[in-house]
Amino acid sequence: NAGVTQTPKFRILKIGQSMTLQCTQDMNHNYMYWYRQDPGMGLKLIYYSVGAGITDKGEVPNGYNVSRSTTEDFPLRLELAAPSQTSVYFCASSYGDPNYGYTFGSGTRLTVV
Amino acid sequence: KQEVTQIPAALSVPEGENLVLNCSFTDSAIYNLQWFRQDPGKGLTSLLLIQSSQREQTSGRLNASLDKSSGRSTLYIAASQPGDSATYLCAVMRSGSARQLTFGSGTQLTVLP
Repeated sequence: NAGVTQTPKFRILKIGQSMTLQCTQDMNHNYMYWYRQDPGMGLKLIYYSVGAGITDKGEVPNGYNVSRSTTEDFPLRLELAAPSQTSVYFCASSYGDPNYGYTFGSGTRLTVV
Repeated sequence: KQEVTQIPAALSVPEGENLVLNCSFTDSAIYNLQWFRQDPGKGLTSLLLIQSSQREQTSGRLNASLDKSSGRSTLYIAASQPGDSATYLCAVMRSGSARQLTFGSGTQLTVLP
């Protein structure tokens, strides 16, 4: 059981470039989330999805886009990368049942130069 | 807006000591509170999940308590070991359909041999 898989693990982008961070889960979780973590800080929610075809903004959505065409996949798109988007990005999924926790991916470390 | 605060930001203790990490939150309308461990450059590992109706949860040398009315939680680690060195993050799941987690900025723990 792979859990939540994120690719790539590391990436360096130049200012103005775009890229997609991939996230896939094999647990049939309806809920999926993208968080970013800046150095020495907690995680902040970028976007989330409560099911295929449904997405919504979190606390820090500017500069990002998402889509959820299948239950398994929840890619995060960065358009026109900026240095402020240098961060570690975590994807997570859950059943949406408060009795159960989240499962996190191992993260993507992104540097924009 | 839910805010989560963790004190202290960093803690260094000798091996064998018992210790307490603190977490406070501003909005008591939560489903649960979760404690995570994060090793350097790694993802998040779930340690304990306390439902809003519960007072505490235990797992091995770890004990987490929750006082929802006062907006406080503590993580107690007994007989600390060097392998416990990591950053400990507290997160609350806000009431609502999105099941979002709001994170504190963490306590960086170092256990000295």
